[in-house]
Amino acid sequence: NAGVMQNPRHLVRRRGQEARLRCSPMKGHSHVYWYRQLPEEGLKFMVYLQKENIIDESGMPKERFSAEFPKEGPSILRIQQVVRGDSAAYFCASSLTSELDYGYTFGSGTRLTVV
Amino acid sequence: KNQVEQSPQSLIILEGKNCTLQCNYTVSPFSNLRWYKQDTGRGPVSLTIMTFSENTKSNGRYTATLDADTKQSSLHITASQLSDSASYICAQGKLVFGTGTRLLVSP
Repeated sequence: NAGVMQNPRHLVRRRGQEARLRCSPMKGHSHVYWYRQLPEEGLKFMVYLQKENIIDESGMPKERFSAEFPKEGPSILRIQQVVRGDSAAYFCASSLTSELDYGYTFGSGTRLTVV
Repeated sequence: KNQVEQSPQSLIILEGKNCTLQCNYTVSPFSNLRWYKQDTGRGPVSLTIMTFSENTKSNGRYTATLDADTKQSSLHITASQLSDSASYICAQGKLVFGTGTRLLVSP
């Protein structure tokens, strides 16, 4: 297992289009966390999911953003009708359990550019 | 408001020198305090994890300290190498991250 895989690494979207970011957790990990990192800013928590469940979405904007982690396949972060302010690096992390000490690992991120 | 503040914002040191990065947090209740190294264009990589009762944790040339009373942590890097050039991020649990210290190790 190569670790947490995110794709695409870079994504360019025009304003108004949809962006779909994928995160494949480490093998055996059923907990996924999504973060956004703006230039010169820290990581901002967005959403925490377990398989088929959203556990905590307190950091995710109420409109245009959604996340899922289906029983099979990667976790998806979807941004509808993107705007320039959505341009950022989006990272996911996965863990074996809800306790962060159990192999909590970040992916390399998807850099979204909205033009 | 739960926050993590890091200083300095950026730092340049000569190869082989030591340095110390600071982290102050106001997060309550306490969650494990982590230090990460983030290379440009990559995701953060965990360096140390400290529980409430730990004062010091080492990982090779990296040593983290924690004072839970004053809510301060530090990361000390010994005998710096060019590959240490990166951003170093302090975080409380999974929700609150500092903005990082950008370290440049110069030859």
